[in-house]
Amino acid sequence: KNEVEQSPQNLTAQEGEFITINCSYSVGISALHWLQQHPGGGIVSLFMLSSGKKKHGRLIATINIQEKHSSLHITASHPRDSAVYICAVRSRRGGSQGNLIFGKGTKLSVKP
Amino acid sequence: NAGVTQTPKFQVLKTGQSMTLQCAQDMNHNSMYWYRQDPGMGLRLIYYSASEGTTDKGEVPNGYNVSRLNKREFSLRLESAAPSQTSVYFCASSTTPAVRAEQFFGPGTRLTVL
Repeated sequence: KNEVEQSPQNLTAQEGEFITINCSYSVGISALHWLQQHPGGGIVSLFMLSSGKKKHGRLIATINIQEKHSSLHITASHPRDSAVYICAVRSRRGGSQGNLIFGKGTKLSVKP
Repeated sequence: NAGVTQTPKFQVLKTGQSMTLQCAQDMNHNSMYWYRQDPGMGLRLIYYSASEGTTDKGEVPNGYNVSRLNKREFSLRLESAAPSQTSVYFCASSTTPAVRAEQFFGPGTRLTVL
């Protein structure tokens, strides 16, 4: 079983819809990251959180440490949101030396 | 301010050939990382450098070597390329290896080994 599981793997939405992408993990973590990979391949960091909720524009990320679960929400989705969204956790195992564990990503396609 | 740059963007090698992937960052970051991304799999850490002068193995180091040339540059070398090393390679950097440091990624190098 993968240590970081994302669902769904693929998601197609109509412009304007509210979107939720889920991430579950099985290890103890010190932080969770949400990343966006553009169709051209570039990867950018969206959020880093260890508790609660963060909001940036139309994007909202939440985390429930007890349930080992995080969600990424996109409100009023737009075709330019089409990308692969990647969840990554920083495990408490092995100290703090750079070991992010990545999910396989959720491919989002927003149709006009 | 270019962020993290990688060269080359694309490369095709024959089995057994060697090559070095270059990575540089201009953000004065202490920590740098090399990842590979394969279809159907998450990004996997190959090697990292927590600070200038140090390097450590990640999850999939076999077949690779790295050099932290200075604070800005971190190179990845394939001494004898194998088809299993066909992948997209990403370099990343962060201010520190600390648990809450955001990582900044380069644009990637798409490598094909025939």
